[in-house]
Amino acid sequence: GESVGLHLPTLSVQEGDNSIINCAYSNSASDYFIWYKQESGKGPQFIIDIRSNMDKRQGQRVTVLLNKTVKHLSLQIAATQPGDSAVYFCAENPDSGTYKYIFGTGTRLKVLA
Amino acid sequence: ETGVTQSPTHLIKTRGQQVTLRCSSQSGHNTVSWYQQALGQGPQFIFQYYREEENGRGNFPPRFSGLQFPNYSSELNVNALELDDSALYLCASSPGLATNTQYFGPGTRLTVL
Repeated sequence: GESVGLHLPTLSVQEGDNSIINCAYSNSASDYFIWYKQESGKGPQFIIDIRSNMDKRQGQRVTVLLNKTVKHLSLQIAATQPGDSAVYFCAENPDSGTYKYIFGTGTRLKVLA
Repeated sequence: ETGVTQSPTHLIKTRGQQVTLRCSSQSGHNTVSWYQQALGQGPQFIFQYYREEENGRGNFPPRFSGLQFPNYSSELNVNALELDDSALYLCASSPGLATNTQYFGPGTRLTVL
């Protein structure tokens, strides 16, 4: 069935280093992808999105890369800070017109001081 | 501009009971989606409402139902509660079907005993 999965359930990174969180998606028809950050006790917070006609998009300290050939997404966080500690989800939208987003199980990012 | 709000924050029910969860969408947003997030999992799409009409549904039984009101606030109703319904219920709003970005509320934590 349709699924979005993550390779690493937990990622520990030294403060100041760059973080890379990976995600595999299964539906080749998906045309839109989002990365969300979820802190404990809060709802998911939008970080960055990318459409399927792009392979890279940059935001403030974050970059999303999309490789449609292998159905892979990654989120790069530059100069990781303690406030970046959270669970990160990628989500795909395989049904343009509705927002039936499919989320993965998430990767926990731990920033070490 | 106010964000997405949800009520109540926490709720405890017993098996077989019914529950109503509420969501106020962000100002200017006419589309609301509901998600169920079990502990340690990513959110799962329940359904979406656009201008008071259901616009897509996930793999949830009919005992999960919803409403959207003229002011675009929304309710999620769950009948005949089961233990597996224990989860964080998230509401997300977006400005309309022309944009994919969704903004999540903090969620309602439902515990079914």
